[in-house]
Amino acid sequence: DTEVTQTPKHLVMGMTNKKSLKCEQHMGHRAMYWYKQKAKKPPELMFVYSYEKLSINESVPSRFSPECPNSSLLNLHLHALQPEDSALYLCASSQTLARGNTQYFGPGTRLTVL
Amino acid sequence: EDQVTQSPEALRLQEGESSSLNCSYTVSGLRGLFWYRQDPGKGPEFLFTLYSAGEEKEKERLKATLTKKESFLHITAPKPEDSATYLCAVGGTQGGSEKLVFGKGTKLTVNP
Repeated sequence: DTEVTQTPKHLVMGMTNKKSLKCEQHMGHRAMYWYKQKAKKPPELMFVYSYEKLSINESVPSRFSPECPNSSLLNLHLHALQPEDSALYLCASSQTLARGNTQYFGPGTRLTVL
Repeated sequence: EDQVTQSPEALRLQEGESSSLNCSYTVSGLRGLFWYRQDPGKGPEFLFTLYSAGEEKEKERLKATLTKKESFLHITAPKPEDSATYLCAVGGTQGGSEKLVFGKGTKLTVNP
């Protein structure tokens, strides 16, 4: 099974709201990722967790706050977002961080910021 | 800096008309080349991982091949349900971070 699940599927929020995106995998993977994807563009890496520790932060604004409570779960906390943050947010996981490991993506959360 | 270039940007085929998508790359030490299929509004679906020149992998109507400079995704007798954007990526380095370096994708449309 190579399934990564994400909730919710769709999210609409105002600029003053606080919300969270959730991601889960049960493949025993120790690396988990958050990506942002705008229309007609490839996914853009935001954060990487390796063995539940933040390994890479691609200079993402602090209004995005990642959290990895355990090896199966990844959250992305959202606060005071801007309309330009509207995008498809993707979670992915891989066995480890090693370059050759395949990343498996979830279905994504479509976020709209009003 | 590692780079991936996909061509063409868009490809329109008739059902049954075979063709190939190209992915050329420059990377310091290839650790894996990955093909994904992405439907509109959904996450990328993993298709293949290739590790060394000469390697080939097949799945239904799709066949991926790898040379030292490029990879091809061959589509044999495509059907309308093969319509999607196909993304190529390499395990590489960009902006000082080790990451998947993606191409911009090829949007494939297969007409019945």
